[in-house]
This record gives sequence, structure tokens and C-alpha cells, in this order.
Amino acid sequence: KNQVEQSPQSLIILEGKNCTLQCNYTVSPFSNLRWYKQDTGRGPVSLTIMTFSENTKSNGRYTATLDADTKQSSLHITASQLSDSASYICVVSENNDMRFGAGTRLTVKP
Amino acid sequence: SQTIHQWPATLVQPVGSPLSLECTVEGTSNPNLYWYRQAAGRGLQLLFYSVGIGQISSEVPQNLSASRPQDRQFILSSKKLLLSDSGFYLCAWSRGGTRGGYEQYFGPGTRLTVT
Repeated sequence: KNQVEQSPQSLIILEGKNCTLQCNYTVSPFSNLRWYKQDTGRGPVSLTIMTFSENTKSNGRYTATLDADTKQSSLHITASQLSDSASYICVVSENNDMRFGAGTRLTVKP
Repeated sequence: SQTIHQWPATLVQPVGSPLSLECTVEGTSNPNLYWYRQAAGRGLQLLFYSVGIGQISSEVPQNLSASRPQDRQFILSSKKLLLSDSGFYLCAWSRGGTRGGYEQYFGPGTRLTVT
């Protein structure tokens, strides 16, 4: 059973709209949570990283939130651009292990 | 600054042929190194990781092997490829220490198609 579940599996939005991606995890003990962006055919690139004590972290138009009590995280994208089309991967770490979500495939259409 | 290189970028190999993918890191020393595979439409699967020269840990039983002959060089190999070895292979590095503790930086990937 995957310990990191992402939803939705895929999402299509119009350029300029906002969207929110979800990540639920059961990894314990929790060390940190990262969101990565992966363009098609490329390696993932880190967007944000949050530790247990952090509730929110922003990187430009990307804002990640973390609720360690409910073990949920979200990635909010504001004013989407065509270049936001990519897969977004949630990664939850214990001290000696990392658990990857399957990713959400986002398509931004003009 | 640190950079990570992988080659080749794409590879088409027949079933039963050998494989060698190379990954090198610049600008850091004693990094942790990782090999991942990503099947089409699937998440990343950790195959191997290494905390030092000659130290390799395998995460899943498979047809592949890894070696780390130098501090910043990581090689993924197979003696005989299977169709199921097709996928997108990613190398990554992180600062030394616990595997999950530090940010991982990924290379550009190698697209392997076994025919």
C-alpha cells in the first residue's frame, strides 16, 4: 500500500485559473514533505520543502500547506501559466526513507 | 554550484543486450547517490542508493545492478535486458547523511526502450 496518495490523478485547467493539488500520507515518523515539479521527459525539480513545524511555504505562484495532524498537504498554484503543465510529485520523508506519491498530471490549456 | 549529468539521454536496446547508464555529479563531495526508475504514468521507484564508494544498497530485487567506482560517479548496469526494464531512469544526489533527510537533486534522465 502506497503511503503517499495524491489526488487528483490528472487535472486540466485554463490558463490564468488557480488549482489545488492534494497529498495525503501515512508515513510515520515524519521528517519532511517536499513537492517536486517534473516536466515531461525531464528530472523532477524541487518546489518546496516543509518540516513538521511549518504550515505553509511559498515559491512564487506555488504555495504548499501542511497539516501534520491530519497528515495532509496541498499545493496551490495561482494564476496558472502554460509552463505549469507538468507532473507534481509529493514526497514524504522519514529519517532513512523517502516515500513518493504517484503524482498529479496538470495540463494548462490556453 | 552543483550539477548532475546523465547519459545517454535516450537508448533503444534489444532484449538480452547489456546496459550501462552513467551518472556523474560535480561541485560536491561524498554525496549520497540514487538510481530511480519511472514507468510510463507511474511514480518514481527507488532502485539503488549509495552513501559512499563501493557501498550500494538495493531496494528491490531486479535484473539490474549498480556500482560506484568513484565518489561522484554512479553506474547502472544489466547483463541482459528484459522488456520490463523499459522506462525512464533518473539519477539523483543529496548531501551525505540520512537518506530521507536532505533534498534530492535529479539529473535529466535516460529514456530506455527495450525492444
